[in-house]
Formats: sequence, structure tokens, C-alpha cells
Amino acid sequence: EDQVTQSPEALRLQEGESSSLNCSYTVSGLRGLFWYRQDPGKGPEFLFTLYSAGEEKEKERLKATLTKKESFLHITAPKPEDSATYLCAVQSYSGGSYIPTFGRGTSLIVHP
Amino acid sequence: DTEVTQTPKHLVMGMTNKKSLKCEQHMGHRAMYWYKQKAKKPPELMFVYSYEKLSINESVPSRFSPECPNSSLLNLHLHALQPEDSALYLCASSQNYDGTGEDTQYFGPGTRLTVL
Repeated sequence: EDQVTQSPEALRLQEGESSSLNCSYTVSGLRGLFWYRQDPGKGPEFLFTLYSAGEEKEKERLKATLTKKESFLHITAPKPEDSATYLCAVQSYSGGSYIPTFGRGTSLIVHP
Repeated sequence: DTEVTQTPKHLVMGMTNKKSLKCEQHMGHRAMYWYKQKAKKPPELMFVYSYEKLSINESVPSRFSPECPNSSLLNLHLHALQPEDSALYLCASSQNYDGTGEDTQYFGPGTRLTVL
């Protein structure tokens, strides 16, 4: 069974204080790893899809990286508007199902 | 354009009411999904439609009835719900479900459902 663990559960940063969120996973045959941002009461907003170890993707202040066991979402010089819950999900080939398994998320608060 | 739309944004219903949630996408995606999300929890899969046919029903109670009238539309019919069914209901779509192509799911804004 696929497992996804995100850490920390909650993170408070000062504006401009860079940090990283972690998503560790156990799957039998990774097809894709997805990062989403979710604001309270809204649907998840797609950020990145990573497919293979060593892959990196960037968007504004966010950079996602992937290894064989985990993914990091690096936030450089965050701003208060980056405050949100960040969800990680993995998709594998196991059992013929392609449904992603979601982690519980990291709640990020950036103080001005 | 990666937009999935959902209506209504908010819905309050009694336990004896019948209502429907609607979802629409115009990205040419062939897979559509319903998720339920409780506060501070990840989305929980309910149904998957692939090429307008129901592929997965995650043992959802029959008071939730999905419908896919065409490749762009997905409905969720609600009847005789319980207060514990109150949640954010999310629709998502992806190009494919069967692993043959791009599987990234794009979510709609959700419908906040309250059952009294």
C-alpha cells in the first residue's frame, strides 16, 4: 500500500525566511508525484508534477525536487500570500489503480 | 486553460432534501473525479469516471449518486444526507485515468455542503 508522509505538519516563517517542506513516500513503482497548494475552503491548486528522481521544477518562489524516497518543496524568501496548506500526492502502478495517495499536508503561515 | 468549475459554491440542505452538485471542464479531459474533504484532512476519493463510465466507487453510500452526462460534465446527486456528510466536495479532472498519458488532476473550487 502506498504511503505518503508530509512534514512538518505546521510551519511558521517570517517574511523572507526561506525553508523546505518534506514529502516522504513508499510506493511500488512511482508514476508521478504532485504538489498542490490549498487555501482554506478552496480546491487544491496544481503546482508541480515530478516523474523521476533528480527532476526539479520551479515556479516563482517555489522549487520542487524529487529523490527515490522523498520530495522537497523549497520556498525562497516567502511572502504572506504564500500562506496556505501544501499537499503532496503520489501515483503508482500498484494494483492496477492510478489514483493518487495524498499526504495530510503542511500548513504554512508566513508572518509579515 | 486548466479550469474546472463547480456549482453551487455553497449549499445548505435538510436531511430530506434532494439536491445536485455540478462540475464542468473544457480541457478535453477523459477522466473526472469526485472527492470529499473534511477540515484539516486530505481529499478523500469518492468516484472516478473514465470515458464517461464509472470506473471506481470507493464504497460510497447510495445517498450519493454520480452521473456523467457527457465528457465535460459531472454531477453528484444528493438525497437523504446525514449531518456528518457536511464537507467540501471537490471535482477534479485529468487527461487520462488509465496511466496512458498525463494524469495530473486539476481541481475545481469546491462546493461547501452543510446538512442540517
